[in-house]
Amino acid sequence: QLQLQESGPGLVRPSETLSLTCSVSGGAISRDSFYWGWFRQPPGKGLECIGTIYYTGSTYYDPSLKSRVIISVDTSSNQFSLRLRSVTAADTAVYFCARQYRNYEVRYMDVWGKGTTVTVSS
Amino acid sequence: QSVLTQPPSVSGAPGQWVTISCTGSNFNIGAGYDVHWYQQLPGTAPKLLIYRNTNRPSGVPDRFSGSMSGTSASLAISGLQAEDEADYYCQSYDSSLGGPVVFGGGTKLTVL
Repeated sequence: QLQLQESGPGLVRPSETLSLTCSVSGGAISRDSFYWGWFRQPPGKGLECIGTIYYTGSTYYDPSLKSRVIISVDTSSNQFSLRLRSVTAADTAVYFCARQYRNYEVRYMDVWGKGTTVTVSS
Repeated sequence: QSVLTQPPSVSGAPGQWVTISCTGSNFNIGAGYDVHWYQQLPGTAPKLLIYRNTNRPSGVPDRFSGSMSGTSASLAISGLQAEDEADYYCQSYDSSLGGPVVFGGGTKLTVL
């Protein structure tokens, strides 16, 4: 059974870089038709897509975050990571990693991590 | 402001039937792109509930069903149970410049 687990600091200072890792177990990250994504949910708000990555390293970033985001993949460790630089209080959220099934325009997230709360505060 | 519009809340008594709407545009639902639904129980991660408009993943009760019409989609829940109380999100593909994966703002279902 595929499982995803987020890890990283729960507190980040303003203007610094948020770094999270998603560890994938129960299946290979290098599997055709599946992408790996980061999503977030600010307190009391809905879901937002931050970006996705394929095991080959091909990435997509949400236009509103593109200038601050890097998503990378490590197939040898079966992990993928998120780096979001120059954070502000608006980046405070629960961050989820998820597996995305993709076949052209058909894209949905079928497995999610439990999420990790990141607070941006001095 | 979410690309897909959902009612903020719906409610129903146990055993009743409720629907949650998801309205989009000709850049997403109206263009024929699939709609997917997620259930988020309090304090937990989203869970895929319906994929490709009408399909249920293994383990999802057949009390949950999805449908499409024009630029809108709907999630129906029959035989409401207390454990259905959660937030529900629709999601689709969007061909505009905002990004391919778009969500609704979420609907809070309260079981009375």
